[in-house]
Amino acid sequence: DVVMTQSPLSLPITLGQPASFSCRSGQSLVHSDGNTYLEWFQQRPGQSPRRLIYKVSIRDSGVPDRFSGSGSGTDFTLKISSVEAEDVGVYYCMQYTHWPHTFGQGTKLEIK
Amino acid sequence: EVQVVESGGGLVQPGGSLRLSCAASGFTFSSSWMNWVRQAPGRGLEWVANINPGGSAESYVDSVRGRFTISRDNAKNSLWLQMNSLRVEDTAVYYCASWTTSGNYWGQGTLVTVSS
Repeated sequence: DVVMTQSPLSLPITLGQPASFSCRSGQSLVHSDGNTYLEWFQQRPGQSPRRLIYKVSIRDSGVPDRFSGSGSGTDFTLKISSVEAEDVGVYYCMQYTHWPHTFGQGTKLEIK
Repeated sequence: EVQVVESGGGLVQPGGSLRLSCAASGFTFSSSWMNWVRQAPGRGLEWVANINPGGSAESYVDSVRGRFTISRDNAKNSLWLQMNSLRVEDTAVYYCASWTTSGNYWGQGTLVTVSS
């Protein structure tokens, strides 16, 4: 299975400041079809997860543009340009280039 | 409005069985890969299984293969997860979810507790 390693596990950020989440995969996530199936999910406290980003950098409908995804190969990043109170929660990366789909262990964003 | 509603969770003894159901509406269920994802108490997300739109191809994480079976009925916009030989480590909230380039849809989850 492809191991997804996220860092840091906890991210205390002051409101209005940027935040950066790292996700590294145990092997390249470039699929034979040329796509890279790396996604980011947000899980707010007490809520179900929701996807924010798919194929590394494409934002889902309704996701604020302060969220952005980047990266390639085995190294990926989710950034929030200016953290708001509603961004508190756990952020997971997930790959489905390889079977089985695998999630990272999550990074918990909290307000400092 | 998109709705994804899971049901069927509960308390079961080790070795027992449960069948989870998922009722979906508001998106093109019959064209969507469907997934079950679980989250043990206080833990992260774990993908469990998925099934292709036509229902002809299923995949499972190793820890449940041979014990769990995913199925669907596109006429009823419904998804199921038959769970047999349940173990204590299967205790989790189970989410029904779909994520495609046209959107992502999750239910509120149903809690499965395996305990004697």
